[in-house]
Amino acid sequence: KQEVTQIPAALSVPEGENLVLNCSFTDSAIYNLQWFRQDPGKGLTSLLLIQSSQREQTSGRLNASLDKSSGRSTLYIAASQPGDSATYLCAVTWGETSGSRLTFGEGTQLTVNP
Amino acid sequence: GAGVSQSPSNKVTEKGKDVELRCDPISGHTALYWYRQSLGQGLEFLIYFQGNSAPDKSGLPSDRFSAERTGGSVSTLTIQRTQQEDSAVYLCASSGQGLSNQPQHFGDGTRLSIL
Repeated sequence: KQEVTQIPAALSVPEGENLVLNCSFTDSAIYNLQWFRQDPGKGLTSLLLIQSSQREQTSGRLNASLDKSSGRSTLYIAASQPGDSATYLCAVTWGETSGSRLTFGEGTQLTVNP
Repeated sequence: GAGVSQSPSNKVTEKGKDVELRCDPISGHTALYWYRQSLGQGLEFLIYFQGNSAPDKSGLPSDRFSAERTGGSVSTLTIQRTQQEDSAVYLCASSGQGLSNQPQHFGDGTRLSIL
């Protein structure tokens, strides 16, 4: 079964700290992997999309890496700010076996304390 | 508009009633998706439309759920004879193409509460 798992479920850090969120997935034959942010009562905001042929993607203070062989992705947030507080979701597209639907992890709820 | 638009933002209805949820994708996007987000279940795929192809309905939980997409743009998700377990946030997403390396863009969702 194709599944996505995220740890930790919740994380609280002081402002300014660098942090890493983890995502793991069964079945390494992914098509792409996408990281999202969700604020309370809102939809999902796409942060980064990593194609299966890529190792990492960067946007500002965010860096996402992908290791298909081990079935893992990490989202690195540098110099965290209170405005980064949100739930971060990892989602995988397996393509050939399940079309272009996204399969989501349960998310990591991040709190950055001022 | 610039983003995916969903309406209504909130819907409260009695058990047994039918409901219709609307999604307006980003202009020009050919792929449209419906997902459901509920406590304890996380985010689940429901249905996917790509251009004029037959939709992928494999995520619909029961035959009470149906969706259509008219003119390749606006989509409506219909839930008949609603049950309390249908209470959830229903999210719509669109992307430039289906199986591609373009990200899916989400609306703010419709929060459905069944009394």
